[in-house]
Amino acid sequence: LAKTTQPISMDSYEGQEVNITCSHNNIATNDYITWYQQFPSQGPRFIIQGYKTKVTNEVASLFIPADRKSSTLSLPRVSLSDTAVYYCLVGDRYGGSQGNLIFGKGTKLSVKP
Amino acid sequence: DTAVSQTPKYLVTQMGNDKSIKCEQNLGHDTMYWYKQDSKKFLKIMFSYNNKELIINETVPNRFSPKSPDKAHLNLHINSLELGDSAVYFCASSPGLRDRSSYEQYFGPGTRLTVT
Repeated sequence: LAKTTQPISMDSYEGQEVNITCSHNNIATNDYITWYQQFPSQGPRFIIQGYKTKVTNEVASLFIPADRKSSTLSLPRVSLSDTAVYYCLVGDRYGGSQGNLIFGKGTKLSVKP
Repeated sequence: DTAVSQTPKYLVTQMGNDKSIKCEQNLGHDTMYWYKQDSKKFLKIMFSYNNKELIINETVPNRFSPKSPDKAHLNLHINSLELGDSAVYFCASSPGLRDRSSYEQYFGPGTRLTVT
């Protein structure tokens, strides 16, 4: 089970690009990297998933270096509404009695005007 | 057009009571889940279920049981409620269970359970 490490919190200003890095030194060959966003009093929302290099969608980009021991979620030109907790998950398939879908503490992003 | 819905949104009850939380998804997904988020904001998986198997997190007390009348519904029944059961409970669904799509989950709005 690959453990992930993220910064506890980050601050940014509106209009800036925000990069949140997640470390996963023990990532397995078949593992994918998935990011979620959670607003207060809401369930987590799937943002993006990738395996290697770069993935981009309408919300964010995900950069994964060749060794895959880390990944960076990039949010372009953040706004106040991007203030949320961001979770990094690593795995290839759910299974086992304990489950390997584990949401850690995440990174609390605060966007200021 | 809500993808994953839960009822009720809030539930206040006394210790010892039995209660249920309902969950429905209209995404056509094969797999559904229940999570518990405690006051420290840790989100822990309780169950995953598809039409073939139920996977139970072994740390979940047997007072908690999922019931699935059909593929679109996964309800959570809780017997003999305790103070420590107070938390927010989230339902989620995903396309698959034993492939990477199990990590692409869609969550409901949550049910805040308060046990007094």
